[in-house]
Amino acid sequence: QSALTQPASVSGSPGQSITISCTGTSSDVGGYNYVSWYQQHPGKAPRLMIYDVSNRPSWISNRFSGSKSGNTASLTISGLQAEDEADYYCGSYTSNSTLGVFGGGTKLTVL
Amino acid sequence: EVQLAESGGGLVKPEGSLRLSCAASGFSFSDYEMNWVRQAPGKGLEWVSYISESGTSIYYADSVKGRFTISRDNAKSSLYLQMNSLRADDTAIYYCARGSILLLFDSWGQGNLVTVSS
Repeated sequence: QSALTQPASVSGSPGQSITISCTGTSSDVGGYNYVSWYQQHPGKAPRLMIYDVSNRPSWISNRFSGSKSGNTASLTISGLQAEDEADYYCGSYTSNSTLGVFGGGTKLTVL
Repeated sequence: EVQLAESGGGLVKPEGSLRLSCAASGFSFSDYEMNWVRQAPGKGLEWVSYISESGTSIYYADSVKGRFTISRDNAKSSLYLQMNSLRADDTAIYYCARGSILLLFDSWGQGNLVTVSS
């Protein structure tokens, strides 16, 4: 069982917006602004999409945004495109003995 | 262009050992923190281990503590993971990833499969 909780799947139509949630505890998501999001296409390595809750690497489209409220972080993708279909993972620093934890992943389907 | 290339994976029997390597290029390796992250078949990501730029700070996930050893050779721009007392649940694709212990991994290798089975 993953330390962070994500929905197993979400879906949306092209052009729509979707939000993926990532719920942790005060020891990880809620306690630090060190939440990151990764996109992974089948058979490929993960790719950093968001870091430090809401910061976007320069190579990532501004259609991707991140936020946090309490112990729950969120990734929002606006203007859905076919190439956004992938698995998405959240990750967070944690004060527990295992210093980094991921969510179980969310499969995004673009209808 | 940043490139990370893992090698050394394969099939190993339970309780066996394996050493993974990660060759880095396209950046100043000695200036960056590095990590190992794994993904069991069909499962999610799991952070495994971290090493600081100079190798003086090292951390492990509880699941591998006492069995795995991370190291680096900055002169060779290489990262290593020595895996001992391997178990079936260590079966996974192992990725080397550039970035901090704060789970900010901005570059990943293509991954290397380790299968632990008798």
